[in-house]
Amino acid sequence: DIVMTQSPDSLAVSLGERATINCKSSQSVLYNSNNKNYLAWYQQKPGQPPNLLIYWASTRESGVPDRFSGSGSGTDFTLTISSLQAEDVAVYYCQQYYSTPITFGQGTRLEIK
Amino acid sequence: QLQLQESGPGLVRPSETLSLTCTVSGGSISSSSYYWGWIRQPPGKGLEWIGSIYYSGTTYYNPSLKSLVTISVDTSKNQFSLNLSSVTAADTAMYYCARLRTLFSPTDAFDIWGQGTMVTVSS
Repeated sequence: DIVMTQSPDSLAVSLGERATINCKSSQSVLYNSNNKNYLAWYQQKPGQPPNLLIYWASTRESGVPDRFSGSGSGTDFTLTISSLQAEDVAVYYCQQYYSTPITFGQGTRLEIK
Repeated sequence: QLQLQESGPGLVRPSETLSLTCTVSGGSISSSSYYWGWIRQPPGKGLEWIGSIYYSGTTYYNPSLKSLVTISVDTSKNQFSLNLSSVTAADTAMYYCARLRTLFSPTDAFDIWGQGTMVTVSS
């Protein structure tokens, strides 16, 4: 299984400031044949299902604000929120879909400082 | 607009079988070419993929649960189902059904989710 490890476990950022969440996979999730990273990011607010933010490591899902961006390749990835808004308080998860079993990171809780 | 809705008992006795159904509305399971999945989340914890199914019945399971899990599809009812046998307290979780976002792809991101159904395993 590919193990996904996120850091930090929790994060407090001031409104309007940048938030950065890291995700590391135990093996590369980059398919050389198509040069795509099989990595997604989700946002989960209390009492709600996860919401897809980013796929292919850096492609924003339709309707996701452009303050959310994804970067990285191979085994190291980052989700960045460029200017934190109050509604961004949530738990964020990364997920690899390079191979089965599909696996998720443990989650990063983002709060307002 | 495609929507998914989980249904099933909220309480299951230990050693019994957990059975849940996901009803898809706003689109057809059989005419689309997507895979459909089950994911669970224990209270206060992270997400675990259980397995995925295609409308033809092709399935992929998490090896950690494979001997206990059966996922099936009923295209006439536009539903797919989860059976998890010999449950224990460790199977207490919110269970979500979801769609994998890319046509024909058994491993992908999940782009549409149900609201989830909480299942408690207790005597």
